[in-house]
Amino acid sequence: QVQLVESGGGLVKPGGSLRLSCAASGFTFSDYYMTWIRQAPGKGLEWVSYISRSGSPTYYADSVKGRFTISRDNANNSLYLQMNSLRAEDTAVYYCARRVSAYNSFDPWGQGTLVTVSS
Amino acid sequence: DIQMTQSPSSLSASVGDRVSITCRASQSISNYLNWYQQKPGKAPNLLINAASSLQSGVPSRFSGSGSGTDFTLTITSLQPEDFATYYCQQSYNTPPYTFGQGTKLEIK
Repeated sequence: QVQLVESGGGLVKPGGSLRLSCAASGFTFSDYYMTWIRQAPGKGLEWVSYISRSGSPTYYADSVKGRFTISRDNANNSLYLQMNSLRAEDTAVYYCARRVSAYNSFDPWGQGTLVTVSS
Repeated sequence: DIQMTQSPSSLSASVGDRVSITCRASQSISNYLNWYQQKPGKAPNLLINAASSLQSGVPSRFSGSGSGTDFTLTITSLQPEDFATYYCQQSYNTPPYTFGQGTKLEIK
């Protein structure tokens, strides 16, 4: 079955870096645009980044532009989010998700990985 | 960027009730509007895309309508498993693809 599994979250100090991974299975990964979406504790959903099938173009929310980099490895069915210069406001559960239609809807989502930025 | 205003932010209802949640876009987004359901501690789940197209496996008591700037998610005959938080998301043109603030549907 279609599955997305995130990893790489954890506790990091402000200004630090972290790399999230999303392992995809059950579908032809290279056929799909992919995205990262985050959710701060007790808050709503915030779209973070988006990558095309080939890896270019990529898009970012203004809140992470210049600090985060999305990438993918189609040979290994993996999606990544390199997060640099982390801030307390980046604390959130980070989900990866697959684009499933021309209407840019996302399904499924992974279970999420928690990133905590704190000193 | 396109802003999404979702209302109400919370809603109290009983099993069997009919409820509606609205979402308004700051500019026309045609029918590029999706609805998600999220239960506590779980990832969101896609219910409806393209404003009114029900995802496979989603019960028919869920429906979506609207076009342009105003959209509605309606749930008829609420079931216990429907109590959750619902989000709209605009997906018009290129990103950013913004979400509404969410509507928490609680049991009365």
